[in-house]
Formats: sequence, structure tokens, C-alpha cells
Amino acid sequence: DAKTTQPNSMESNEEEPVHLPCNHSTISGTDYIHWYRQLPSQGPEYVIHGLTSNVNNRMASLAIAEDRKSSTLILHRATLRDAAVYYCILRDESGGSNYKLTFGKGTLLTVNP
Amino acid sequence: KAGVTQTPRYLIKTRGQQVTLSCSPISGHRSVSWYQQTPGQGLQFLFEYFSETQRNKGNFPGRFSGRQFSNSRSEMNVSTLELGDSALYLCASSRFWNTEAFFGQGTRLTVV
Repeated sequence: DAKTTQPNSMESNEEEPVHLPCNHSTISGTDYIHWYRQLPSQGPEYVIHGLTSNVNNRMASLAIAEDRKSSTLILHRATLRDAAVYYCILRDESGGSNYKLTFGKGTLLTVNP
Repeated sequence: KAGVTQTPRYLIKTRGQQVTLSCSPISGHRSVSWYQQTPGQGLQFLFEYFSETQRNKGNFPGRFSGRQFSNSRSEMNVSTLELGDSALYLCASSRFWNTEAFFGQGTRLTVV
């Protein structure tokens, strides 16, 4: 599985935007970039995913570099509820491949009131 | 709609015993996967089932096994429990194997 690198921790203030980076220099052409987050005492929760183009949904935006070697998850206005561990995951979605999610250590996001 | 349901939520077992954990996926979801989460190793993939067939297996000993029933419900079994098996066991369901995964709240297993 292609590897991702994320900062161990980041801090933000409530109602400010948060940019969570992820490096994936060995990404292959069929790897989708997925983001999940895990709130305290909960199972992981899907946030967003994309292949090449930037993506937006009600939770966040995903900005993907043109060479796809890095991406950034953007929370537009952080709330206390966004405090969680954020995982950036690459998943090969070519036909017949192994579709498991390979979690790294993730980024622990702290949101200050 | 109801989310992924895992039972029991908490479990305490003795070394050498076996344990069975249950997972009920979201209605209409045919893929179920299992993960083990520990402070030291993080989230690790155990196995994945789709339409009652195991499609992928992680790097765990044969003491860890699972199955999926025709209604997509899944069970995982750990035999001859060791202290190191103490962990949060998470189940996730997906409509298909390559769509977003929805996780349950997990079963916290403590082996004493």
C-alpha cells in the first residue's frame, strides 16, 4: 500500500479554517485519497475522498495537488466537535484490487474555544 | 436509518478463552470489514467479507477468524485469547467493497 505522511498534531481556534496536510509521494494512478476522522470514543467516520479534482461536501473540502503527491483537507470553520484524529488514506480502486483501508497514525486536531 | 451495530460493547475474558463478536451492518450494505485498534499499533485491518465470502485478510494469526451470513451480518471469533488481544474491535460496512465505510462504535475487549 502506498504510504501517507501526516503531522502528528495540529491546533486550531474555534470558527477559524483548518488546513490538514497529507503527503503521498508514491501515490499511483489508481489510488483514491480518502479522509476519515475518529472522534474520542467513537469509530472512524468518513469525511471525503477524491482522485484528481478538488472535492467539496457538507463536512469539508479536499484540495489535491496537480501532481497528486500531496493533498489538504480543509475544514472551513472549525468547531469543538471537529476535535478528532484525522486519517489520510490511499486506496487503490482499480478493478479486482484489495479495497481495505490502511490507517496510519493520523493527525490529532485540537480545537481551542 | 440505523447505523452499524456492534455487540457487545464491552467484554472481559480470561486468557485461553475464546470470544465471538457480532456486527450488524447498515441495511443494504453487503461488505463488512473488521479492524483492531490498540494504542501501540493503531487501526489494523483484520478481514473483509462481501456476500458471505472473505475477500481480504490482514496479517493476523489464525486464531482470528470471521464469517458473514446471508443477511450480511458478520461475526468474528478469537480463540485462545492472549493478553495482547485486548483492544477495540471495530466493524465497518459498505454498500460495495469500494464505497465509503461506515463504522460501528466498536467492542472493547479486555483479556485478563
